[in-house]
Amino acid sequence: EPEVTQTPSHQVTQMGQEVILRCVPISNHLYFYWYRQILGQKVEFLVSFYNNEISEKSEIFDDQFSVERPDGSNFTLKIRSTKLEDSAMYFCASIFDMNTEAFFGQGTRLTVV
Amino acid sequence: ELKVEQNPLFLSMQEGKNYTIYCNYSTTSDRLYWYRQDPGKSLESLFVLLSNGAVKQEGRLMASLDTKARLSTLHITAAVHDLSATYFCAVVYAGGTSYGKLTFGQGTILTVHP
Repeated sequence: EPEVTQTPSHQVTQMGQEVILRCVPISNHLYFYWYRQILGQKVEFLVSFYNNEISEKSEIFDDQFSVERPDGSNFTLKIRSTKLEDSAMYFCASIFDMNTEAFFGQGTRLTVV
Repeated sequence: ELKVEQNPLFLSMQEGKNYTIYCNYSTTSDRLYWYRQDPGKSLESLFVLLSNGAVKQEGRLMASLDTKARLSTLHITAAVHDLSATYFCAVVYAGGTSYGKLTFGQGTILTVHP
């Protein structure tokens, strides 16, 4: 069964460092998303990406965040200068179209120290 | 702004008992999802509800949607320990250009004990 894959599963980084979280969405899907979940809290939307551009972003997704689909298969989330409060589980998701369900990757746990 | 509220947030159940988790949302939606999350794990899709009156069942779980009341329920029948997890509902806003963005409820932490 096709699945969304994310790497790494866990990343520890020092405050102020840049991190790149990687995702490979399901191959025929057209819409891609990043969500995050701070420990013990609900899942929050960060950004959606369609047709090679950001379609919507939340207030959380400030200038420190960026997304890219560099090669038609990978979908990356970059945080330029990490803060302690960026520590969270980051989930990538993809859907084929607006009438189908979102499939989530297994997540990357980011710990900023 | 779309708001999604679940209740209860914590649910401790005895095995064999029935209970319902409620999910209310604040604006028009054309899709509602239920997900299960085990500790430290990803989100597993349980149900996709697309229309008013939709009812879906899988094993001991049954989900329904009332779009007029902006309410979905997840009913648990004869709970077993394996159902212990956090359950999230998530809603897609019907208006504007949401591009499929999911707005999640706070989650219901379900613990089933003997």
